[in-house]
Amino acid sequence: GESVGLHLPTLSVQEGDNSIINCAYSNSASDYFIWYKQESGKGPQFIIDIRSNMDKRQGQRVTVLLNKTVKHLSLQIAATQPGDSAVYFCAEITATGAGGGADGLTFGKGTHLIIQP
Amino acid sequence: NAGVMQNPRHLVRRRGQEARLRCSPMKGHSHVYWYRQLPEEGLKFMVYLQKENIIDESGMPKERFSAEFPKEGPSILRIQQVVRGDSAAYFCASSPHLRSGAFFGQGTRLTVV
Repeated sequence: GESVGLHLPTLSVQEGDNSIINCAYSNSASDYFIWYKQESGKGPQFIIDIRSNMDKRQGQRVTVLLNKTVKHLSLQIAATQPGDSAVYFCAEITATGAGGGADGLTFGKGTHLIIQP
Repeated sequence: NAGVMQNPRHLVRRRGQEARLRCSPMKGHSHVYWYRQLPEEGLKFMVYLQKENIIDESGMPKERFSAEFPKEGPSILRIQQVVRGDSAAYFCASSPHLRSGAFFGQGTRLTVV
């Protein structure tokens, strides 16, 4: 089964407000996480990543927070704009040791961010 | 540096035909991943390949599906004897090395009629 999931399938925010999208993961061996944005009809777009030796990482208007104690990841988008409307996925990579394994990204179902004018 | 290129963008096949989906990774990327996505759902991992090697195919159906990443040329996802349930968007991603951010192509939307 999937080890990464999202709490809310849809998040509606006012334009200009900050958005917070949450993600829970269950595999404590996961040590690298990525947020992707997927607009309708397009492929996922890399937004920001974080490794487990960090608890916060900032990009342009986005911040990712990692809480390893409760296995929780969040994406904060500052001053949300209409162009931020998309489905957001968190994904994890787990080191399974020598010999490979399921090193592919594991995705949750996604959160649909809707921007209201 | 061109991104991950997938073709065709749209593919229509009749039941029983074969579908071939191609993926050219970003320049310098030797790791390729294939994912399947149904409408309103997340991406399901299918297979992870490096040049000439399948590293992990745990997400691939046991029958009719195969993937390759030859020394020269694109990675190919092949679906034989397609059925309606194969209709989905298939995405390819590539990364320069293991455990780094993967970049996705625009996908191939397969419709089986």
